[in-house]
This record gives sequence, C-alpha cells and structure tokens, in this order.
Amino acid sequence: DAGVTQSPTHLIKTRGQQVTLRCSPISGHKSVSWYQQVLGQGPQFIFQYYEKEERGRGNFPDRFSARQFPNYSSELNVNALLLGDSALYLCASSLARDRVQETQYFGPGTRLLVL
Amino acid sequence: GNSVTQMEGPVTLSEEAFLTINCTYTATGYPSLFWYVQYPGEGLQLLLKATKADDKGSNKGFEATYRKETTSFHLEKGSVQVSDSAVYFCALSDLGGSQGNLIFGKGTKLSVKP
Repeated sequence: DAGVTQSPTHLIKTRGQQVTLRCSPISGHKSVSWYQQVLGQGPQFIFQYYEKEERGRGNFPDRFSARQFPNYSSELNVNALLLGDSALYLCASSLARDRVQETQYFGPGTRLLVL
Repeated sequence: GNSVTQMEGPVTLSEEAFLTINCTYTATGYPSLFWYVQYPGEGLQLLLKATKADDKGSNKGFEATYRKETTSFHLEKGSVQVSDSAVYFCALSDLGGSQGNLIFGKGTKLSVKP
C-alpha cells in the first residue's frame, strides 16, 4: 500500500513569494495534519483537517493556510515567504476514528528553502 | 501547556551497546505517547507507541514503557546496530488540541559506530 505522498520534494523560493505544498494521505485516511520542522528541531504542528474541515491550528501566522479536498488530499499555502520559513514541511495522515488516540503516519516531507 | 523533554544529543555508541534515550512529558489527562525515528534526508517513521499507563510499546528491538508516576517514556534497545543511526523523537498526543495533534521533543541524534 502506498504511504503518504508529498510534492514537490524540494523547493527554492525567494522572500515575498508564495508557495503551495501538496499531500496525498494513505488510502482510507480522512485526516491530514501539517507540521513544520526547522533544522535541528522537532516538528511543530501547523494544521489539522478532517473531512475538509479545519480541526486544529497551531501557533502560526495567517500567512499559513491550508485546505482539504473531497478526495482527502490537502494543500498547504504559505504567503509572503520569510527566510525563517525555510524548513521541512511534513504531512501526516490518520484514520481519525478516535479523536485522541489515532496514530499519525508521516510522508517524506517537502524541503523548502527561502532565499 | 503540554510538552515533551528529551535528553540532549548527540549520542554516540559502539555497535552492540545498550541504548537509553530519556523522555519525560508534561500533560493533562492521559495522552498517548510515541517514539518516531527520522533517518537522514527522510520523513518520520513511527517506531512504537503506548496508549495508557504501564503499556509497553515495542518494535525492531526497541522498547518503551508508559510510566505515569514518573511521567516518562524512555526508549531502550539492548544491542544497537549501525543501521539504528538516526534522530529519535518522543511525542505525545495533545489532548488539549482538536484531535490529538502531536507535540514533539527536540529529537536525539544517535550515531552507532562499527
């Protein structure tokens, strides 16, 4: 079975630009979460979506937005890029049958470099 | 708020040595606890998990026991291999969040020498 897939794998942008990252969850998984992992740190939660609705949002500015499509895939958008947005962006999916115990499975990530 | 604290790395061991990576947490309620592993240039892989007190998660020779009394979830392996070299993250499901989004520690880098 295919795992979580993300595209693109790498991306280089300049300050002020906008970027869209894409994620396809494991088949049958209805929840998608996004995390930002800055070099040398643990992942930080950005968003969680379930059935196209936002279920949670981490402490990130409004420049970050996301959405989930009817096929449960998701996009993360970041506007007005800053140098500090350079990071590995991870997508995770889960079945979301149980609100608090569900295991999340991660994709390989998109590495974003902002120059 | 909820948080996870891991021992600082890097940790360097010789092959077949015993591994312990300490992890303690602060949380309200009864979160699930996880260990994820990240190999160089890759995303996170679930290594093991425990969902309630005294549960022991195990996988690929790694073990961790959910200790509510000490709020700990230390990762152990009896005999490490070179292929275990990676960064290990302890995490908890944030019960205060919308649906258990994960809170991670900073990670511990393990290097195993032949």
